[in-house]
Amino acid sequence: GAVVSQHPSWVICKSGTSVKIECRSLDFQATTMFWYRQFPKQSLMLMATSNEGSKATYEQGVEKDKFLINHASLTLSTLTVTSAHPEDSSFYICSAPRAGGLRDTQYFGPGTRLTVL
Amino acid sequence: TQLLEQSPQFLSIQEGENLTVYCNSSSVFSSLQWYRQEPGEGPVLLVTVVTGGEVKKLKRLTFQFGDARKDSSLHITAAQPGDTGLYLCAGAGYGGSQGNLIFGKGTKLSVKP
Repeated sequence: GAVVSQHPSWVICKSGTSVKIECRSLDFQATTMFWYRQFPKQSLMLMATSNEGSKATYEQGVEKDKFLINHASLTLSTLTVTSAHPEDSSFYICSAPRAGGLRDTQYFGPGTRLTVL
Repeated sequence: TQLLEQSPQFLSIQEGENLTVYCNSSSVFSSLQWYRQEPGEGPVLLVTVVTGGEVKKLKRLTFQFGDARKDSSLHITAAQPGDTGLYLCAGAGYGGSQGNLIFGKGTKLSVKP
């Protein structure tokens, strides 16, 4: 089946530093990838849509200058949390729809646990 | 704004019992997915339903898409401790970016041996 990986699986950083999270589609190409954030005991909230070769589309309330997204290739999207603060601590998950399958079916990465001290 | 109301939010049952999780909306979805998520992991796709009235079975799990494509249910027969997890429904609307899913709040299921 489709596999989406994320790296790192967890990261702890100091307040004010930047953290980069990678999302890779391992056995298929994805022109679009999605970034979600999940707080404890809550559902997934879409942050932004990453588009290969063009700018990302951000959901309302998500600061594009704080959450930088780069979709450099058909298999890699990165999310950089800039000047991280404790309130940015969360579980970040990416997903990608697989071409050729159902358009609306997404495959999720294993997530990245970010803790900002 | 499309919303998916998922219920119940929490469910704690004994092994062997049956249960049903519901996902309802006033909006029509082009398709609906059910995922299961373990703590500290990403959601894993269980099934996608696309046709109104469709019923899909996955071992002891039965998924149904409403005739009007506004609601869905997940029924688990003879639940086992291994079924424990967070169950999420997610609907795909019409228009918008490709694959943009709207998630329900999830149902945290605990099956006690």
